[in-house]
Amino acid sequence: DAKTTQPPSMDCAEGRAANLPCNHSTISGNEYVYWYRQIHSQGPQYIIHGLKNNETNEMASLIITEDRKSSTLILPHATLRDTAVYYCIVRGLNDMRFGAGTRLTVKP
Amino acid sequence: SQTIHQWPATLVQPVGSPLSLECTVEGTSNPNLYWYRQAAGRGLQLLFYSVGIGQISSEVPQNLSASRPQDRQFILSSKKLLLSDSGFYLCAWSVSLVGNEQFFGPGTRLTVL
Repeated sequence: DAKTTQPPSMDCAEGRAANLPCNHSTISGNEYVYWYRQIHSQGPQYIIHGLKNNETNEMASLIITEDRKSSTLILPHATLRDTAVYYCIVRGLNDMRFGAGTRLTVKP
Repeated sequence: SQTIHQWPATLVQPVGSPLSLECTVEGTSNPNLYWYRQAAGRGLQLLFYSVGIGQISSEVPQNLSASRPQDRQFILSSKKLLLSDSGFYLCAWSVSLVGNEQFFGPGTRLTVL
């Protein structure tokens, strides 16, 4: 069973920031939060991951609350190519459980 | 750089026929290897993972089996396919440490008729 809860769908205007929330209230101390996205009929693409500190890379930013029970993926300037299903995953050793994800639709 | 290959890309098989899907990784040694299945409109389900040659862990009981005959080769098999085996099968690899991301292959779309 997935350890995360995400809204099933979200819309975002092109050029605006997309903020995708994720709840993981049962996360344990040694588990990381990962974000992947999947464009239709392709393999998932890694975006970012973190343990407890906020993280930023060329694709996105990850904000993790202090109690680590939730996080937010931020795509700072969404483009039409960012339309995909976004998965938030809590990962322990050799364990990657995907839930249903959030279907993000970026609209012009 | 590392790359992961899967074949075939698509496959249509009759019920009761055998299955063999292959995954190979290049550019790394002793990777963790994973097989996932994604049913239509659903998230990914972890089927098997392997931390080394000949070592297979199964996450869910089912009609499928996995083998790792070589360090960078992972095979998903079935002796007799069921209709419910249809789906998108993905192979992935990761470095053998906690805190590393998994890298996914292009996937195989299997349709059982």
